[in-house]
Amino acid sequence: AQTVTQSQPEMSVQEAETVTLSCTYDTSESDYYLFWYKQPPSRQMILVIRQEAYKQQNATENRFSVNFQKAAKSFSLKISDSQLGDAAMYFCAYRSGETSGSRLTFGEGTQLTVNP
Amino acid sequence: ETGVTQTPRHLVMGMTNKKSLKCEQHLGHNAMYWYKQSAKKPLELMFVYNFKEQTENNSVPSRFSPECPNSSHLFLHLHTLQPEDSALYLCASSQVTGGGVQETQYFGPGTRLLVL
Repeated sequence: AQTVTQSQPEMSVQEAETVTLSCTYDTSESDYYLFWYKQPPSRQMILVIRQEAYKQQNATENRFSVNFQKAAKSFSLKISDSQLGDAAMYFCAYRSGETSGSRLTFGEGTQLTVNP
Repeated sequence: ETGVTQTPRHLVMGMTNKKSLKCEQHLGHNAMYWYKQSAKKPLELMFVYNFKEQTENNSVPSRFSPECPNSSHLFLHLHTLQPEDSALYLCASSQVTGGGVQETQYFGPGTRLLVL
């Protein structure tokens, strides 16, 4: 079974600074997808970024980028120029690339605080 | 309305009550999901519906009964719940391609349930 581990329950960053959230996963599959979701106080889960395992290039979305290390099974999220609105719980998630794989496996989350 | 909506946003019920949670997706997706988010635990997948057919039941107690009348609507019927069922219930939807590949899941805002 796949597992996702986020070893940082809480992180904080100064506004305009950069922060990196860690995520590691365990799988025996070669085809899979990785996601970072953001859950602000409103509780809605919002997709931040997605990475296909077969792509070597790290995904980027504006101020958000990932460092995908497939061999190390590591998938960290870097937030540049942090903004107050970035404060939220961040979840790393894994999904199998198999056609029958619909289950998202989530980590336990990292609570990010952005200090003004 | 756009995206994934859920009603009610908050619900308080007694253990003998019967209530239903509603989810509606406006994204043209063909798969829908129920997740449970308890305090300090990762999200847990409860049910998956592809093309209105239930394809996964993650060992959920029978006091939770899902219903998917069409690909845009998903219900979770609740009866004789326990206090430990208090949690945030999140609905999500995605598109499953003809080859069975599931695209990214998009989440609703959730229903905060309190069972007294």
